[in-house]
Amino acid sequence: GAVVSQHPSWVICKSGTSVKIECRSLDFQATTMFWYRQFPKQSLMLMATSNEGSKATYEQGVEKDKFLINHASLTLSTLTVTSAHPEDSSFYICSASYLAGGLYEQYFGPGTRLTVT
Amino acid sequence: DAKTTQPNSMESNEEEPVHLPCNHSTISGTDYIHWYRQLPSQGPEYVIHGLTSNVNNRMASLAIAEDRKSSTLILHRATLRDAAVYYCILRNYGGSQGNLIFGKGTKLSVKP
Repeated sequence: GAVVSQHPSWVICKSGTSVKIECRSLDFQATTMFWYRQFPKQSLMLMATSNEGSKATYEQGVEKDKFLINHASLTLSTLTVTSAHPEDSSFYICSASYLAGGLYEQYFGPGTRLTVT
Repeated sequence: DAKTTQPNSMESNEEEPVHLPCNHSTISGTDYIHWYRQLPSQGPEYVIHGLTSNVNNRMASLAIAEDRKSSTLILHRATLRDAAVYYCILRNYGGSQGNLIFGKGTKLSVKP
């Protein structure tokens, strides 16, 4: 089956620093990658959608200058949380999508737990 | 994408069947019904999807009402590892990429 990895699985950083999270599709080329955020006891919220080689499309209310997304290849996307603050502490999940049998199949990474102190 | 309505939580006993309902009364003709589940502290995992006909795979079965306004995910024999939040999501392909918009889902508890 299609596998999506994320690195790191968890990270603790100090307020004001930046953190980069990597998302890789291991055995397929992803047409599109998505970034979600999930706060405790809440559902996943889509942050942004990115296609390889083009700028990401951010959902309303998501600051694009704070959450930098780079989709450099068909197998790698990165999310950088700049000048992190405690309220950015969350579970960040990436997803990768590709066309199979006429439909876009979407697979999720295991998530990255970010704690900002 | 059209909205879905699911119960907040359900309980089941181990090794018994579980029927997880989902209402989607505003579903359109090109909406596929997808089910994902999320175990604690993990990313969502694909379970099953369908359009009109009932579907079976190694994880579960999906029963879709004739008018497509509701569907039921069936776990034939619940195990403790099936305890998770189950999300019913409508995805409109309509020729575009689309993405998955998650609702609150149903938290399934499985008792030994």
